[in-house]
Amino acid sequence: DTEVTQTPKHLVMGMTNKKSLKCEQHMGHRAMYWYKQKAKKPPELMFVYSYEKLSINESVPSRFSPECPNSSLLNLHLHALQPEDSALYLCASSRSMFDEQFFGPGTRLTVL
Amino acid sequence: KNEVEQSPQNLTAQEGEFITINCSYSVGISALHWLQQHPGGGIVSLFMLSSGKKKHGRLIATINIQEKHSSLHITASHPRDSAVYICAVRKGAQKLVFGQGTRLTINP
Repeated sequence: DTEVTQTPKHLVMGMTNKKSLKCEQHMGHRAMYWYKQKAKKPPELMFVYSYEKLSINESVPSRFSPECPNSSLLNLHLHALQPEDSALYLCASSRSMFDEQFFGPGTRLTVL
Repeated sequence: KNEVEQSPQNLTAQEGEFITINCSYSVGISALHWLQQHPGGGIVSLFMLSSGKKKHGRLIATINIQEKHSSLHITASHPRDSAVYICAVRKGAQKLVFGQGTRLTINP
């Protein structure tokens, strides 16, 4: 299995909702990443987990809460989001933080 | 000035043409990545380079560490190559720094 999967593909939520994005890989990678991408812009790093520990948090607002329950799974919990948080959320994984990253297809999030 | 600059920002060509996309960076790096993103979102990693040249099918990537420059070439371009091509550099174990992307359109 050489892919990163993300669910759901699309998500529409209100500003008071709580939802979660899920990312999974079975390549034995020990680094996992969340990126946010606005239209026609490059991805922006949000979080990095290395060996299931949060390694980098790029000063992301607390309404985004990452979780890495095990080495294959990465979640992003969303609460009280703003319309400007609407974007494509990409997950990636790599063997280590020094290695090539493999990206998932993304979740397109719309906040109403 | 961005740490990673790509040129051109947009490129339109006819099917069969030889394509070159350039990436210049201003920081010391441990690796450079070329990524491809089709409309609709998913990103595919094309190459990771730290020196020299790599080839995969019709794609060739080169890097000159002394000049802090990399190029991505596509031979015999095809409409399915139409996508955004992104250069990203990594400094040590730190995060990737992305260029703004080059939007490539190949017309039949």
